[in-house]
Amino acid sequence: DADVTQTPRNRITKTGKRIMLECSQTKGHDRMYWYRQDPGLGLRLIYYSFDVKDINKGEISDGYSVSRQAQAKFSLSLESAIPNQTALYFCASQREGNYNEQFFGPGTRLTVL
Amino acid sequence: AQSVAQPEDQVNVAEGNPLTVKCTYSVSGNPYLFWYVQYPNRGLQFLLKYITGDNLVKGSYGFEAEFNKSQTSFHLKKPSALVSDSALYFCAVRDMTTAAGNKLTFGGGTRVLVKP
Repeated sequence: DADVTQTPRNRITKTGKRIMLECSQTKGHDRMYWYRQDPGLGLRLIYYSFDVKDINKGEISDGYSVSRQAQAKFSLSLESAIPNQTALYFCASQREGNYNEQFFGPGTRLTVL
Repeated sequence: AQSVAQPEDQVNVAEGNPLTVKCTYSVSGNPYLFWYVQYPNRGLQFLLKYITGDNLVKGSYGFEAEFNKSQTSFHLKKPSALVSDSALYFCAVRDMTTAAGNKLTFGGGTRVLVKP
């Protein structure tokens, strides 16, 4: 089984709709992250969490919110989706320590019409 | 602020030839450096990292990278490329000495195409 899972894998929605992307990890990591990937821009950090009570904004948090329901679960919400939020979204987890690598989920392809 | 540059959008190489993917970085303090690979329809996979010590780092699938502090570079290399190495490669940096190091900053990615 995959260590970091994301649901759904693909989603098409309409402008103005609320949508939630979910992420779970079985690695026992404290740190979890949400990124979006756009062609040529690499991955940009939306939000990150170092434990259940610690949520931090990344470089592009406007229009997004997150919830860390448990150590293993970190969900991303788009309260009112807009077309420029069409992107590939990745969740990642990491063991504590800035020198440790991150483990990524398979991604969610989101299209906002 | 920390940043990463991958100057080549795409690298084309013949199978069996050496492969190099370039990366330069900027941090206020000392860097932690990472390479990840993304195969089609997959998440990113960790290849290797530089934390401290030997400037030549060996990683997965026969890849290695050389840390050069004076040139602020961390180029990824493979002596003999395989068709299966065709993928999108990302360099990433963390500043180990400032609060910015809580976050990983990625380059824009380099697409590698290995032709038979």
